[in-house]
Amino acid sequence: KAGVTQTPRYLIKTRGQQVTLSCSPISGHRSVSWYQQTPGQGLQFLFEYFSETQRNKGNFPGRFSGRQFSNSRSEMNVSTLELGDSALYLCASSPIQGGETQYFGPGTRLLVL
Amino acid sequence: SQQGEEDPQALSIQEGENATMNCSYKTSINNLQWYRQNSGRGLVHLILIRSNEREKHSGRLRVTLDTSKKSSSLLITASRAADTASYFCATDDGGGADGLTFGKGTHLIIQP
Repeated sequence: KAGVTQTPRYLIKTRGQQVTLSCSPISGHRSVSWYQQTPGQGLQFLFEYFSETQRNKGNFPGRFSGRQFSNSRSEMNVSTLELGDSALYLCASSPIQGGETQYFGPGTRLLVL
Repeated sequence: SQQGEEDPQALSIQEGENATMNCSYKTSINNLQWYRQNSGRGLVHLILIRSNEREKHSGRLRVTLDTSKKSSSLLITASRAADTASYFCATDDGGGADGLTFGKGTHLIIQP
């Protein structure tokens, strides 16, 4: 099976802009989770989607949002970008909601100038 | 918030030696997992140990879990240059509300 894919792999934006990141889970996986990784805060949970519904959300402002489509693909949106949003955004999929083992994609590296 | 804390933050050893990394966490867990990350890429799942298990093996990996001390260790035996990576422990409290909670990782360098 193909692994988790994320697009784009690299992105440069300026403050105030918005960005949309995409994640395609492993075929058959219905849960998609998003994580933010920064040198200062490490890996932090953003949210989890299952059956097109957000099931869980981490401690991030409302500027961070997402959605999941009927084919389980997910998008994450960040509005009004701030310099501190520069990070590696990782998507992970699992077969079920709250699945124990998460299968991670390669990530999207976002740089906000 | 970070639950796991890995120790040491960085470790450099010679190829062929064993590498041991430790992880401490704060709250009760359902399971603890170890992941590897190469050069800022995605994470690769290595091994999962449940709260009712004390030790688990997978190839050259050995994981122990001490729930009374809220700590875990990852041992990589007979290290290889390809083991150079960052290693993260991640805890799952079983509630799913916070996803996996990761530590800040141990950066392992294997010297040829």
